[in-house]
Amino acid sequence: DVKVTQSSRYLVKRTGEKVFLECVQDMDHENMFWYRQDPGLGLRLIYFSYDVKMKEKGDIPEGYSVSREKKERFSLILESASTNQTSMYLCASSGPRQGDGETQYFGPGTRLLVL
Amino acid sequence: GENVEQHPSTLSVQEGDSAVIKCTYSDSASNYFPWYKQELGKRPQLIIDIRSNVGEKKDQRIAVTLNKTAKHFSLHITETQPEDSAVYFCAASASGNTPLVFGKGTRLSVIA
Repeated sequence: DVKVTQSSRYLVKRTGEKVFLECVQDMDHENMFWYRQDPGLGLRLIYFSYDVKMKEKGDIPEGYSVSREKKERFSLILESASTNQTSMYLCASSGPRQGDGETQYFGPGTRLLVL
Repeated sequence: GENVEQHPSTLSVQEGDSAVIKCTYSDSASNYFPWYKQELGKRPQLIIDIRSNVGEKKDQRIAVTLNKTAKHFSLHITETQPEDSAVYFCAASASGNTPLVFGKGTRLSVIA
């Protein structure tokens, strides 16, 4: 059974702080994704990675960066948190390259509040 | 790039009735169309998917249909039950290295 875990369920940070969100998957998946989920806006892709040390920008990368030093771990970094980054952050992973029909498995989410 | 529109944004049905959620996509190269269900406070989970070489797929009470010409696909839930209440997301992607593009979601409420 695929397991995707995220480092925190809830996080409260101050404006300007550097924030790290960690995601770990245990299925040796190649692909990992970071989304933010906001009411009425669905799931929006921030960054994704198809391999270690590889990263690609998604639809809303501004204000974020990522790191993938190991295959099982994909980190999302808010360099200087702002109030408009208050959101639910979801990590996901999948097997071989997207388009082969591989299911994305989601983590439980991190609800981030930036004050 | 791909754009996925999903309707309706909210849907209420009586228990036992059917529910239909519709999505349209813009990129004719898209060939994979999954549906995810997210219950309150939980993570999204895949419930059914379809590829462009198939027009319809069924799994018990849920089915998905695809019309490639019109570039739309739909989720059908029959004999709805209270546990079907959730937010449903459609998505689309093309082959290769393109990631999924999600619709904005439909909140389904099944009234007992």
